[in-house]
Formats: sequence, C-alpha cells, structure tokens
Amino acid sequence: GAVVSQHPSRVICKSGTSVKIECRSLDFQATTMFWYRQFPKQSLMLMATSNEGSKATYEQGVEKDKFLINHASLTLSTLTVTSAHPEDSSFYICSARDAGQGALWTEAFFGQGTRLTVV
Amino acid sequence: AQSVTQLGSHVSVSEGALVLLRCNYSSSVPPYLFWYVQYPNQGLQLLLKYTTGATLVKGINGFEAEFKKSETSFHLTKPSAHMSDAAEYFCAVSDTYSGGGADGLTFGKGTHLIIQP
Repeated sequence: GAVVSQHPSRVICKSGTSVKIECRSLDFQATTMFWYRQFPKQSLMLMATSNEGSKATYEQGVEKDKFLINHASLTLSTLTVTSAHPEDSSFYICSARDAGQGALWTEAFFGQGTRLTVV
Repeated sequence: AQSVTQLGSHVSVSEGALVLLRCNYSSSVPPYLFWYVQYPNQGLQLLLKYTTGATLVKGINGFEAEFKKSETSFHLTKPSAHMSDAAEYFCAVSDTYSGGGADGLTFGKGTHLIIQP
C-alpha cells in the first residue's frame, strides 16, 4: 500500500509554545488529508479534513485557531498546535487519500502518529 | 450521522482459539466498513474492508469479516489466534455517498485483544 510519513513521532514541549506536525504522502498525491486525535485507550476522533489548496473543514468542537492546518501541496499537510497546554497532550494521527481518480471511494492511508506531551 | 459500536473493550482468547470481535454500525446510507489494527504507539493498519460485492471479505493475517445488512453488523473473526495478534482493533464506517468518499472515518472505541498462551 501507499506510504504516509508523519514527523515527529514524539515531541515534548513546554506549555504556551507551538508545535508543528508534518504529514507527507511519499508515493501518491494526497488530495485529501485527515487529522485525528486519540486519547489514551480511546478511539480516534476526526479533528479536521483538508483538501489541497483550500481551507480545512473542522469538526464540531475543534478550535480552528488552536489547531492550524495547512495543506499547501499535494504531498504535505501540517498541523500546528498553537499555545499548547497539558490538556492538548495526545496522540495525533494523519491519514491521506488520493480522491482525484474519479472513483467513488479510495482508501485513506494512515501515518505512524505523533505522541505530543505538553509539560 | 454514523456511529460504530464495538462490544467489549477487552477480549481475551487462548492461543489457537477462535477470535471474534464484534462491530455494529448505524448509517443512513449504505456504508463502507473497515477493520484496522493498531500496535502500541503506532498508526493504524488496514486489516480488511467492505465496499461493494461479496459480503464475506478476507483480509491480512488470516482475518475475515462478514457484512450483514439485516443485523447492521461487521464482526471480525480469525479461526486460530496467534500471540502476534495481540493489539487494539478498531471498526470504522464511512459514508459512501458524501463528496466522492472524501469524508473521514467514524471509529468505534476499539477492542483490546489479549492472547493467552
């Protein structure tokens, strides 16, 4: 299957600072990327959907000014957690899909995830 | 709105025994259904999916699942458990008719599979 690379895999930051997480599709063009958040021993919750070249669509309850998403190219999306606080500590996972082939459905491939710890 | 219910947050089976992980869904339109496996501190790996066609789908590592529309279920099975199957398993649903499949997935809460030696 296609490869989605997420970086960094782990990051520790101080409260009040910002952290950027990158999600790259290595061997396909990701017209759509998704960002999920996973709390310990819980399921993944969709945070936002981004399409290349347009603004991200955020799920209800997700602060768009706090979780900045940029999908500037067909192979890269970034999630920036601004002014991070301890409650933002979580496992963040991206997935990417090439929805430009005209098919009704195409598979989304997941990155390895980023463990964010805010101290 | 879609939702996924996974019965049992933890399932424990003996090595060599049958694995059965339950998943029920609700969807207003015919769904696409998925099972993913997650190992600690890693992303998700697709085990299998149902989109259209045959309702019994086979995936990787000997797993299979059957889509039963009348029961709104998509249970995951494996005839003989192996120690390496110990992981977290997530059932997920996608709306087939929204934006050409561009929606993100709705996940169940996950089932932790424990394999007893």
